[in-house]
Amino acid sequence: DVKVTQSSRYLVKRTGEKVFLECVQDMDHENMFWYRQDPGLGLRLIYFSYDVKMKEKGDIPEGYSVSREKKERFSLILESASTNQTSMYLCASSLFPSGTSAEQFFGPGTRLTVL
Amino acid sequence: AQSVAQPEDQVNVAEGNPLTVKCTYSVSGNPYLFWYVQYPNRGLQFLLKYITGDNLVKGSYGFEAEFNKSQTSFHLKKPSALVSDSALYFCAVRDMETGGYQKVTFGTGTKLQVIP
Repeated sequence: DVKVTQSSRYLVKRTGEKVFLECVQDMDHENMFWYRQDPGLGLRLIYFSYDVKMKEKGDIPEGYSVSREKKERFSLILESASTNQTSMYLCASSLFPSGTSAEQFFGPGTRLTVL
Repeated sequence: AQSVAQPEDQVNVAEGNPLTVKCTYSVSGNPYLFWYVQYPNRGLQFLLKYITGDNLVKGSYGFEAEFNKSQTSFHLKKPSALVSDSALYFCAVRDMETGGYQKVTFGTGTKLQVIP
């Protein structure tokens, strides 16, 4: 089974802090994603990566950056956390999207609270 | 541009009754369609997908979904609901006709409550 793990289930930070969210997948997937989930808004894509050192902006990249130095690891960075970044953050991975192997596998999520 | 709509924030159904969770989509080409389920305090789990072929797709836990191209819908169904089916359900779409990497667009989610 594919396993996607996230470094923390719950995290509390203060405004202005730099925050690192880590995600690791063990199935050699090319693609990795970071989403945030907010009630009534569903999942919104922050950034994704289709290869090591490659990254693409999603729908809401402002205030975030990412790093992918190794294929299995994809990090989300909040450069200066703000209260409006309080949310559930979900990491996902998938094989290259062509053909039938297009579904995404999700980690358990990190609930981040910024005070 | 691609989009997906889940018109119901919440669906209530009695245990043992059939359930339907609605989803409509909009793409410029042909769609890849997905359903995911999220149990409390968990990440999303893949349920089923439509790529091509038979319009009725069967997935995990007894769920199925029917692709209707003329109505641009992909409703999730189950013949007999269980209390353990209570969760948040997300529909998602990807337009496979456009070149390059195409991200998936998720709906806002429908909370399914199965009443004992």
